[in-house]
Amino acid sequence: GAVVSQHPSWVICKSGTSVKIECRSLDFQATTMFWYRQFPKQSLMLMATSNEGSKATYEQGVEKDKFLINHASLTLSTLTVTSAHPEDSSFYICSAWTGYSNQPQHFGDGTRLSIL
Amino acid sequence: AQKVTQAQTEISVVEKEDVTLDCVYETRDTTYYLFWYKQPPSGELVFLIRRNSFDEQNEISGRYSWNFQKSTSSFNFTITASQVVDSAVYFCALSEGGSSNTGKLIFGQGTTLQVKP
Repeated sequence: GAVVSQHPSWVICKSGTSVKIECRSLDFQATTMFWYRQFPKQSLMLMATSNEGSKATYEQGVEKDKFLINHASLTLSTLTVTSAHPEDSSFYICSAWTGYSNQPQHFGDGTRLSIL
Repeated sequence: AQKVTQAQTEISVVEKEDVTLDCVYETRDTTYYLFWYKQPPSGELVFLIRRNSFDEQNEISGRYSWNFQKSTSSFNFTITASQVVDSAVYFCALSEGGSSNTGKLIFGQGTTLQVKP
């Protein structure tokens, strides 16, 4: 089955640090990758849609300069949380999609980010 | 606007009981897709099923079954003879179909299922 690798799985760092999270589709090409944020006991909140080779489309209320997204190849997208603060602590999860309507999104295992 | 409602926030059952998780959706699209995902305590989302709007045939996969009723805009999920390993948060999701399909998923709020031994 389709495998999506997300790394790192857990990050603890100091306030002001920038953190990069990688999302890789291991056995298929993903024209589109999505980045979600999930607070405890809540649903997934879509942050942005990333298409290979073009700028990401951010959802309303998501700061572009805070959450930098790069989708440089058909198998890799990265999310960089710049100058992270404690309020950025959350569970971030990516998904990858082939772009074909008959295919579902496949999710990574998520990254737990804790900013001290 | 598209919307997915999972009215059951938490369900607790005893092992071997059957349990049904409800999902009601709203969309103006004639072509759309419905999904169920499982999120165990470890956090990853596991894809369970995808159904397109033109296929109302119910599906069974082992202990899992899904009932898609367009007339009531529902896509309910039943686990038969539940097991402790079924304990997780289950999300129902909707995406638009046709040529305008961006792949975006609209998630419900999730139902936390606890199966007690």
